[in-house]
Amino acid sequence: DQQVKQNSPSLSVQEGRISILNCDYTNSMFDYFLWYKKYPAEGPTFLISISSIKDKNEDGRFTVFLNKSAKHLSLHIVPSQPGDSAVYFCAASEIQGAQKLVFGQGTRLTINP
Amino acid sequence: DVKVTQSSRYLVKRTGEKVFLECVQDMDHENMFWYRQDPGLGLRLIYFSYDVKMKEKGDIPEGYSVSREKKERFSLILESASTNQTSMYLCASSSSSDTIYFGEGSWLTVV
Repeated sequence: DQQVKQNSPSLSVQEGRISILNCDYTNSMFDYFLWYKKYPAEGPTFLISISSIKDKNEDGRFTVFLNKSAKHLSLHIVPSQPGDSAVYFCAASEIQGAQKLVFGQGTRLTINP
Repeated sequence: DVKVTQSSRYLVKRTGEKVFLECVQDMDHENMFWYRQDPGLGLRLIYFSYDVKMKEKGDIPEGYSVSREKKERFSLILESASTNQTSMYLCASSSSSDTIYFGEGSWLTVV
């Protein structure tokens, strides 16, 4: 069973506009959520995280929103840049400093000039 | 900067061969992980280790084993490689209070 789901395999956005990537989860014990970015032939790199005690966390162009009642989180990138083209993975764990992260399937984001 | 190094980036092995994937981290992290990434399936945890000589099964341990004799090194072993183990393998490490850092990945093709 897929505890973390990214239902959009791909997303195409024009440069300068907002990119919104979505993630849903089923395990109510998840307490900490992360987004990773992955370029081809490289390992994922950490982007931004949020604890369940917050509903928003911002870091520069990246903002993550958490709706615990809906078991939904989203990553907003504003403005989108060509270098943002990558695969984005949503991940969740039951505690911060995760010993085990559960990942979604990934969403391939393409930023068009 | 945290560095997680996977010794082999690209490997081609024959069915039935024993395969070793090596991973070293330089940040004295307690936790180390092996994931595999497949299209449409995301990253799936194979095994993890929270201390030297300690290991726990992840979500897909079948066909794999691991070894952690030293804190900085975590090895993934395919006892008898099969074609369905063709994948990208990602090693990662973390401390108990920090996020997970990944290596660059090892592409394994089993023919």
